[in-house]
Amino acid sequence: TQLLEQSPQFLSIQEGENLTVYCNSSSVFSSLQWYRQEPGEGPVLLVTVVTGGEVKKLKRLTFQFGDARKDSSLHITAAQPGDTGLYLCAGSSNTGKLIFGQGTTLQVKP
Amino acid sequence: DVKVTQSSRYLVKRTGEKVFLECVQDMDHENMFWYRQDPGLGLRLIYFSYDVKMKEKGDIPEGYSVSREKKERFSLILESASTNQTSMYLCATGSGGGGYTFGSGTRLTVV
Repeated sequence: TQLLEQSPQFLSIQEGENLTVYCNSSSVFSSLQWYRQEPGEGPVLLVTVVTGGEVKKLKRLTFQFGDARKDSSLHITAAQPGDTGLYLCAGSSNTGKLIFGQGTTLQVKP
Repeated sequence: DVKVTQSSRYLVKRTGEKVFLECVQDMDHENMFWYRQDPGLGLRLIYFSYDVKMKEKGDIPEGYSVSREKKERFSLILESASTNQTSMYLCATGSGGGGYTFGSGTRLTVV
């Protein structure tokens, strides 16, 4: 069974701080995605990483896929209150389905 | 942009009722999925469909069934609602190896 472990589960920081969220597995994924979900809404896709070692940037967000395609990280620079939400990583499994991590709840205080 | 529409944002149903949750997508995507989301448990796959009239069980199919009579519509059915089916239900669609597009969710409360 393929599993994705996300850490930390909860993060509360002040505006302007940096943070990193981790997504780890013992399994290899063909691709990995990051989503952000706001209360009362469905998750929204932020990025998909496909190649081992790949780094993608989306404004203040930096996403990295591990060389072995078993792990990924999301780094946010100078967090803003608008970054508050639930961040989910998801890996494409060997059966073609997406497997989700448990999520990281981020609160950025002004 | 792909749009995924779930018929209800909030539903309250009584134990034992048959409940239908509808999901419609406006793109020609083959794959559609139903998840439930619960605090501390993340998103769990209930059922998915790769094509019209095709369905596959996900990780937690017990107590649920699905229907896909048209490509754009994927329905989730709770045959006899129970209180442990109180949850946020999310429909998603996708194509190939790309990301999913989710609906806004239906928060179902079974009393």
